[in-house]
Amino acid sequence: QKEVEQDPGPLSVPEGAIVSLNCTYSNSAFQYFMWYRQYSRKGPELLMYTYSSGNKEDGRFTAQVDKSSKYISLFIRDSQPSDSATYLCAMTKNSNSGYALNFGKGTSLLVTP
Amino acid sequence: DVKVTQSSRYLVKRTGEKVFLECVQDMDHENMFWYRQDPGLGLRLIYFSYDVKMKEKGDIPEGYSVSREKKERFSLILESASTNQTSMYLCASRDRGSLNEQFFGPGTRLTVL
Repeated sequence: QKEVEQDPGPLSVPEGAIVSLNCTYSNSAFQYFMWYRQYSRKGPELLMYTYSSGNKEDGRFTAQVDKSSKYISLFIRDSQPSDSATYLCAMTKNSNSGYALNFGKGTSLLVTP
Repeated sequence: DVKVTQSSRYLVKRTGEKVFLECVQDMDHENMFWYRQDPGLGLRLIYFSYDVKMKEKGDIPEGYSVSREKKERFSLILESASTNQTSMYLCASRDRGSLNEQFFGPGTRLTVL
């Protein structure tokens, strides 16, 4: 079983919809959780970062972590066509510099005008 | 702004050729990473380095080697390219202690014929 599972989609929503993107994981040692956004033919860029459980909000984006369920979510409010991209979750156990991130496969999102 | 650059955006090589992919970062980061990204498989870590001349195998190191002679430069080497190494290759860098801020380059789309 892969340590991080993410539904690849594609997910298509109309402009203005609330989008929910999710990842599950199996390793209870993961403590640091990230969401990256990747536009077509570009490298991923960091969108949100959370430590341990709880919520974090940044504009239209909310990241949520439920460690008891090993489940993380990214919510996008008032979605825009410019939000169309692939969203990758990532996580790791430790802030030690030697640890690499564990990525989900990414969910492709299309927001239609 | 952190900048991670990769030597080529598109590369076409023949089976059996030796291929060098170069990555340079300009923010004095200790950690550098090489990933490949394939549809349905997501990002997979090939190798990473947490210091000059140091390297660690990732999840799929077979058929690849790396070199880190200078802090800012991390090279990925395909000793004898094969068609199953056709992929998007992404380089990333991260400062020691800045767990969340992993910066990616734009990627190199390698085709092996």
